Amino acid sequence: ELKVEQNPLFLSMQEGKNYTIYCNYSTTSDRLYWYRQDPGKSLESLFVLLSNGAVKQEGRLMASLDTKARLSTLHITAAVHDLSATYFCAVPQGGSEKLVFGKGMKLTVNP
Amino acid sequence: DAGVIQSPRHEVTEMGQEVTLRCKPISGHDYLFWYRQTMMRGLELLIYFNNNVPIDDSGMPEDRFSAKMPNASFSTLKIQPSEPRDSAVYFCASSRGQDFKNIQYFGAGTRLSVL
Repeated sequence: ELKVEQNPLFLSMQEGKNYTIYCNYSTTSDRLYWYRQDPGKSLESLFVLLSNGAVKQEGRLMASLDTKARLSTLHITAAVHDLSATYFCAVPQGGSEKLVFGKGMKLTVNP
Repeated sequence: DAGVIQSPRHEVTEMGQEVTLRCKPISGHDYLFWYRQTMMRGLELLIYFNNNVPIDDSGMPEDRFSAKMPNASFSTLKIQPSEPRDSAVYFCASSRGQDFKNIQYFGAGTRLSVL
């Protein structure tokens, strides 16, 4: 059974600081998804990583995928308050369209 | 496109009542997913459809839950009878499948409270 684990689950950081969050998964997959959820809102797609070594960047966020280590990282550069949200990673199960989501990492960026 | 549309946005009902949640996927999307989100269990896939046919319903918690997709533009998730433990946010999502990276687009969700 595919398990997707994120750490940390909660992160409070100061504006301007950098940080990396992690997503591990238990079975082979060559793709991984990152989503963002604002409080009380829906999930919004951030990144799709489709192969080993894939790197995607959008603003202050950069995501990468290491399929051999079954690990994805989401790096935050010079955090700003607007990045405060919950970030989920998700992995397809068995090559299907079914996604298994991690529990999410709640990020709070303090002024 | 208007995105995935769910209704109602909020539903408050009493234990034992029937609840029906509705979803209109993005036009042209072949896949439709129903998720449930709670603090305790996170985001769980309940069922998904491809071309209106249920593919995987292994996440449906019990027989009280049923889902249908009578056509490409409409799906329902029904709970009968409802119980307090069904209280959660239910999301519908749609996608064009793996050939298009399988990016799932989520609706705004239905917040269900069963008293």
